[in-house]
Amino acid sequence: SQKIEQNSEALNIQEGKTATLTCNYTNYSPAYLQWYRQDPGRGPVFLLLIRENEKEKRKERLKVTFDTTLKQSLFHITASQPADSATYLCALVADTGRRALTFGSGTRLQVQP
Amino acid sequence: ETGVTQSPTHLIKTRGQQVTLRCSSQSGHNTVSWYQQALGQGPQFIFQYYREEENGRGNFPPRFSGLQFPNYSSELNVNALELDDSALYLCASSFRGQGTEAFFGQGTRLTVV
Repeated sequence: SQKIEQNSEALNIQEGKTATLTCNYTNYSPAYLQWYRQDPGRGPVFLLLIRENEKEKRKERLKVTFDTTLKQSLFHITASQPADSATYLCALVADTGRRALTFGSGTRLQVQP
Repeated sequence: ETGVTQSPTHLIKTRGQQVTLRCSSQSGHNTVSWYQQALGQGPQFIFQYYREEENGRGNFPPRFSGLQFPNYSSELNVNALELDDSALYLCASSFRGQGTEAFFGQGTRLTVV
């Protein structure tokens, strides 16, 4: 069966360190993979998109990697700040026609000052 | 802010009732998708509308139905509410042909008692 797995345990790190979040998937051939941030009681906010033929994407302090052989994406936040504390969701787009997003359950990140 | 607005923000309904949730898309966006997010889970795709036609549906029963209007605003209707329908309902708008990132509203929190 198709599965998208994110670490369900919260990730606690110290301010200034690099946070690394993992997204693994099985039985998908995604055309795109996206990362979203979600704060409590709010809708997800788009952060980064990476295509199947791209290995890495960067935006300011954010970096995403995409390994279609390992079926894994890593999401890094460098020089983390308490304001980065939120739940981070990965989402796959398998059908480029329909473009529906299939989400993982998210990983909560807590950055301690 | 994404420019996607949803109403109402909170709603309490009784089992068996019907509910209509509304979404106003971001200006210029022609595609709207609806997602259901249970507590502690990632959003689950309900269906998508493109140019007023349903353009894909997730694993939800027919009592979940929708509409998209000429101004690209949208409604989600749920009939015969069940307790398990209690969730955060998210609307996401996008523009077909410009990438797949979705812009989410703040959601409607539906509680069925």
